[in-house]
Amino acid sequence: GAVVSQHPSRVICKSGTSVKIECRSLDFQATTMFWYRQFPKKSLMLMATSNEGSKATYEQGVEKDKFLINHASLTLSTLTVTSAHPEDSSFYICSARDISSGGYSPLHFGNGTRLTVT
Amino acid sequence: KQEVTQIPAALSVPEGENLVLNCSFTDSAIYNLQWFRQDPGKGLTSLLLIQSSQREQTSGRLNASLDKSSGRSTLYIAASQPGDSATYLCAVIETDSWGKLQFGAGTQVVVTP
Repeated sequence: GAVVSQHPSRVICKSGTSVKIECRSLDFQATTMFWYRQFPKKSLMLMATSNEGSKATYEQGVEKDKFLINHASLTLSTLTVTSAHPEDSSFYICSARDISSGGYSPLHFGNGTRLTVT
Repeated sequence: KQEVTQIPAALSVPEGENLVLNCSFTDSAIYNLQWFRQDPGKGLTSLLLIQSSQREQTSGRLNASLDKSSGRSTLYIAASQPGDSATYLCAVIETDSWGKLQFGAGTQVVVTP
């Protein structure tokens, strides 16, 4: 089955530093990937849609200069949290869809990254 | 704006009982609905995907129904097992959003031996 690999699974960083999270589709190509953020006991919140070879589309209220998204290839999207603050601590999950699938097929999710900013 | 609600927020049942998880959405113009399972600190595992033209999907002990006109979906898990303990999330994809899921907050399920 389709696999999405997300790395790292956990990261602890100091305030003011930047953290990069990678999302890779291992056995399929994805022109579009999605980045979500999850707060404890809350629903996943879509942050942005990452498009291969073009700029990401951010949801309302998400700071694009803080959450930098790069989708350089059909199998890799990265999310960089710049100048991280404690309030950025959260669980970040990416998802991707196999472009070779006809019609609509389920999105495949990574295992998430737990970010803790101290 | 689409809103997805899951009731109850938490549920505890003894092993062997059937589970009934509810999901409601405010805008019936959905493309499809997807149920996921999430274990603590982990990503999401897709359980069932129901196209908007379908009324139900089944996989093993899982059955999900969809009533688009009333904005409801129900996930049934038959003969629950301790291994079914997890948080179950439903998500809808709206017709024109292609792949963007709107999630509910989830139902946390505990199945006691």
